[in-house]
Amino acid sequence: GAVVSQHPSWVICKSGTSVKIECRSLDFQATTMFWYRQFPKQSLMLMATSNEGSKATYEQGVEKDKFLINHASLTLSTLTVTSAHPEDSSFYICSARQGTIGEPLHFGNGTRLTVT
Amino acid sequence: QKEVEQNSGPLSVPEGAIASLNCTYSDRGSQSFFWYRQYSGKSPELIMFIYSNGDKEDGRFTAQLNKASQYVSLLIRDSQPSDSATYLCAVKDSGYSTLTFGKGTMLLVSP
Repeated sequence: GAVVSQHPSWVICKSGTSVKIECRSLDFQATTMFWYRQFPKQSLMLMATSNEGSKATYEQGVEKDKFLINHASLTLSTLTVTSAHPEDSSFYICSARQGTIGEPLHFGNGTRLTVT
Repeated sequence: QKEVEQNSGPLSVPEGAIASLNCTYSDRGSQSFFWYRQYSGKSPELIMFIYSNGDKEDGRFTAQLNKASQYVSLLIRDSQPSDSATYLCAVKDSGYSTLTFGKGTMLLVSP
């Protein structure tokens, strides 16, 4: 149980274009989903917390107009990287919590974004 | 600022040995502690979580928590080459629903 599916697993796009990444909880309802970014040899950095039916909460330094998050249902959250630049190239990982705040996070398989 | 510190490694152990991974955290209010394994190019995979002081065992893995000293460790018994990965320590305090991750310790198990 507690499977989180993320799509696509990798994407290459040109500078200036937008990319959408989907995160789905397959066998549970996730009222809260989290988006992380990981650069090579670095730890996971939380970008934003996504709550179903409300606006996402962004971490300091993360541009909310550049990284659009939509959590339209209890099983789906999307991250759109708008006007992507090469410095946005990274590994983006979503996660979801199955139960209460104390429950561990389950991660999607991640999306490798390369902006050329 | 909440911090989670891990030795980046690599920690090299021979097959069959015990691997000991350590993590310290700065926030005394931290309540929940998690160990994730991450293979290169993959997303993290939950190994264990621990909430109370002491040891928690699950198969070859043992998590140890000492809140007074603000450290949490992960022991891997009978290490296998397939255990070679980066191990991330993550900490959550009572006031947050998010996790703070350490940078991870790379473990290399040689056959």
